[in-house]
Amino acid sequence: GQQLNQSPQSMFIQEGEDVSMNCTSSSIFNTWLWYKQDPGEGPVLLIALYKAGELTSNGRLTAQFGITRKDSFLNISASIPSDVGIYFCAGSTGTASKLTFGTGTRLQVTL
Amino acid sequence: DAMVIQNPRYQVTQFGKPVTLSCSQTLNHNVMYWYQQKSSQAPKLLFHYYDKDFNNEADTPDNFQSRRPNTSFCFLDIRSPGLGDAAMYLCATSSNRGRLDEQFFGPGTRLTVL
Repeated sequence: GQQLNQSPQSMFIQEGEDVSMNCTSSSIFNTWLWYKQDPGEGPVLLIALYKAGELTSNGRLTAQFGITRKDSFLNISASIPSDVGIYFCAGSTGTASKLTFGTGTRLQVTL
Repeated sequence: DAMVIQNPRYQVTQFGKPVTLSCSQTLNHNVMYWYQQKSSQAPKLLFHYYDKDFNNEADTPDNFQSRRPNTSFCFLDIRSPGLGDAAMYLCATSSNRGRLDEQFFGPGTRLTVL
């Protein structure tokens, strides 16, 4: 099935730095979601976006729904060690309640 | 706290020996999903129940079956596990009373096949 392309695939950053990652698709989505998955755990929903151009924050996290509806961006400000994990984007067309997941961005933080 | 619960968290089975994974939820969501996730890959949808209606993905092997006896519980049965079925199995829920797209995941069951 279709997968969304996430970039970067992985990244090392220093504690306190800001992080940016993005997710792109060849087709349009009506909803974009961002999940974080810790090792050995299930994904946790961080942010959900419903309208093109929408910018939504959750603490140090900010996500945007791209105007073309084919992409989304996630920013993490002032990273801390517990930000380590894999971040997945997911898109939904709103039908059949199915999600299309991205390939994931692995975030590792160095002290 | 309302949540999605998966038991067991770790399951070891032998090649060809049937295994059942369970999921329960206290969210009262009407949609329940089963995903398979292999190392560092995105979750792959196997099937989902929309209320009592079962929806199988086209590429889900026949070896995988599911049961949903009531709103709260859903089971994943692997009839004859192969080595390639070793993975993390994730249960998720969503509700048409809220945003159907917003799926909430359980902690997963890691399956090992010997």
